[in-house]
Amino acid sequence: ETGVTQTPRHLVMGMTNKKSLKCEQHLGHNAMYWYKQSAKKPLELMFVYNFKEQTENNSVPSRFSPECPNSSHLFLHLHTLQPEDSALYLCASSQDYPAGVSYNEQFFGPGTRLTVL
Amino acid sequence: DAKTTQPPSMDCAEGRAANLPCNHSTISGNEYVYWYRQIHSQGPQYIIHGLKNNETNEMASLIITEDRKSSTLILPHATLRDTAVYYCIVDPTTSGTYKYIFGTGTRLKVLA
Repeated sequence: ETGVTQTPRHLVMGMTNKKSLKCEQHLGHNAMYWYKQSAKKPLELMFVYNFKEQTENNSVPSRFSPECPNSSHLFLHLHTLQPEDSALYLCASSQDYPAGVSYNEQFFGPGTRLTVL
Repeated sequence: DAKTTQPPSMDCAEGRAANLPCNHSTISGNEYVYWYRQIHSQGPQYIIHGLKNNETNEMASLIITEDRKSSTLILPHATLRDTAVYYCIVDPTTSGTYKYIFGTGTRLKVLA
């Protein structure tokens, strides 16, 4: 497989459930990202990992818990979500060259469409 | 964090050039301008990026003003498959952060 893959593509969960979203990139990139896209709203950056270290947490509620075991995999663990958390969750990766060199185009996965009942 | 402003929507006739403007007046230093597009409910797709000079690739051309406060993405011969939301963003990583800010973008509709 090539590019960025996300599983599952669709997820319906209750507010008391615990579930996880998975992202995998086959591009040899060093940086990985989680974004949230609610209906009719812009993409919102949630988390950034660079070389497996979290470098950005954009004030995300603790009911969202990211995990990056290696540079190729990124998880988003979900627990006690609210209906307003229903959204398209997008994963992306980029090469992440040193500062001053910008070839940091992000490659996005297809997203997981999450519905919280 | 440099933010961008784009018109919310535009129409373009099929076969014509689509010119999508973006204002990024607070861009600083060596921050690059990137363009992505998102076809309905799919992940965004990278189109092109630039710093100071105009750029062209197989998908589009990017024209950046001399003061770097605005840019225009040009799709030279728009097709129906170019109907999408187009995002212009400023890459913050050359300024030492990862705070990517996607605005609301421009919804381009290509008309037959």
